[in-house]
Amino acid sequence: DVKVTQSSRYLVKRTGEKVFLECVQDMDHENMFWYRQDPGLGLRLIYFSYDVKMKEKGDIPEGYSVSREKKERFSLILESASTNQTSMYLCASNRGNSNQPQHFGDGTRLSIL
Amino acid sequence: DQQVKQNSPSLSVQEGRISILNCDYTNSMFDYFLWYKKYPAEGPTFLISISSIKDKNEDGRFTVFLNKSAKHLSLHIVPSQPGDSAVYFCAASDPNAGNMLTFGGGTRLMVKP
Repeated sequence: DVKVTQSSRYLVKRTGEKVFLECVQDMDHENMFWYRQDPGLGLRLIYFSYDVKMKEKGDIPEGYSVSREKKERFSLILESASTNQTSMYLCASNRGNSNQPQHFGDGTRLSIL
Repeated sequence: DQQVKQNSPSLSVQEGRISILNCDYTNSMFDYFLWYKKYPAEGPTFLISISSIKDKNEDGRFTVFLNKSAKHLSLHIVPSQPGDSAVYFCAASDPNAGNMLTFGGGTRLMVKP
């Protein structure tokens, strides 16, 4: 069974802090994704990665960066956290170049004070 | 502008009756559609999908219908059970965008005993 693990379920940070959200998958998937979920807006793609050290911007990359140094790990970085980045963050993965469904982690609820 | 829309933010049905969740899209290049189910404090889980070459796909109590000319898909749950109470997201895949998923805003389904 595919397991996508996000390091924190809940996180509270202050405005201006640098924030790291970590995600690990155990199925050797090529693709990994970071979304944020906000009421009424569904899931919006922030960044994704097709392979190690590869990254592509999604629909809302502003204020975020990512790192993929190893195939199983995909990190989301908030360079200088702001209150409008308070949200539920979801990581997902799937096999490369296919319509295989994405498998999601349980999410990190991030609050920026 | 949202390319995938779920116009009903919530839906309430009686246990044993049919639940119908709707989704509209605007991008005619979408060729694969998925439904995800999300419980509170958990990540979305894949439910059912349909390719654009089909108009119906069935899996147990869940059936997805696709009307390409109307750019509309729907998820039918028969019979509805209290455990089906969750937020449902439809998603669409564009092969010209690396099969990235675009999600709708979600519909909260409440099944009353």
